[in-house]
Amino acid sequence: AQSVTQLGSHVSVSEGALVLLRCNYSSSVPPYLFWYVQYPNQGLQLLLKYTTGATLVKGINGFEAEFKKSETSFHLTKPSAHMSDAAEYFCAVDNAGNMLTFGGGTRLMVKP
Amino acid sequence: NAGVTQTPKFRVLKTGQSMTLLCAQDMNHEYMYWYRQDPGMGLRLIHYSVGEGTTAKGEVPDGYNVSRLKKQNFLLGLESAAPSQTSVYFCASSSGLRGVFRETQYFGPGTRLLVL
Repeated sequence: AQSVTQLGSHVSVSEGALVLLRCNYSSSVPPYLFWYVQYPNQGLQLLLKYTTGATLVKGINGFEAEFKKSETSFHLTKPSAHMSDAAEYFCAVDNAGNMLTFGGGTRLMVKP
Repeated sequence: NAGVTQTPKFRVLKTGQSMTLLCAQDMNHEYMYWYRQDPGMGLRLIHYSVGEGTTAKGEVPDGYNVSRLKKQNFLLGLESAAPSQTSVYFCASSSGLRGVFRETQYFGPGTRLLVL
């Protein structure tokens, strides 16, 4: 069975600093990988996804993630954090056909 | 398009009471899902449906039932609520297309359920 591990349930950065949210997965077949963002009291919104092809994926709001098969990782980055990026971020893997397994989530806090 | 909608937004139940959560989507999606979200555990799949009239169990199905009588609606039922079912429930849908491009799941705004 696939699993997803997000290192760090809480990450705090200063406004303008680099954002790095870590995600590692286990999968027996080539995975499809997703990052979702959840703002307070809202549902999940797709940030970006990796299916096939280019391993560096760009998403909305300046975020990007790189699929590294050798490291079984799909870390999310953003060069410069904004206050509006404060939210919870979820990494998910789909390798069973439209079924997602989610990580535990990382709450990002941005300090002024 | 409204996307995925959920009713109610918030509900308080007493132990042993029953209730039904309604999910509706207007995107003509084949697949629909119910998840629960608990702190530190991400989202866990309760039940899902791959088309009208079909349902299947997910990771944590005990204590829940579902029905998909119409393609656009997916109902989640709690027959006898327990405090362990206090959670935030999310519905999602996807087109379910197979092939090179895996389809994105679109989420509703959630239902907060408190069982006393």
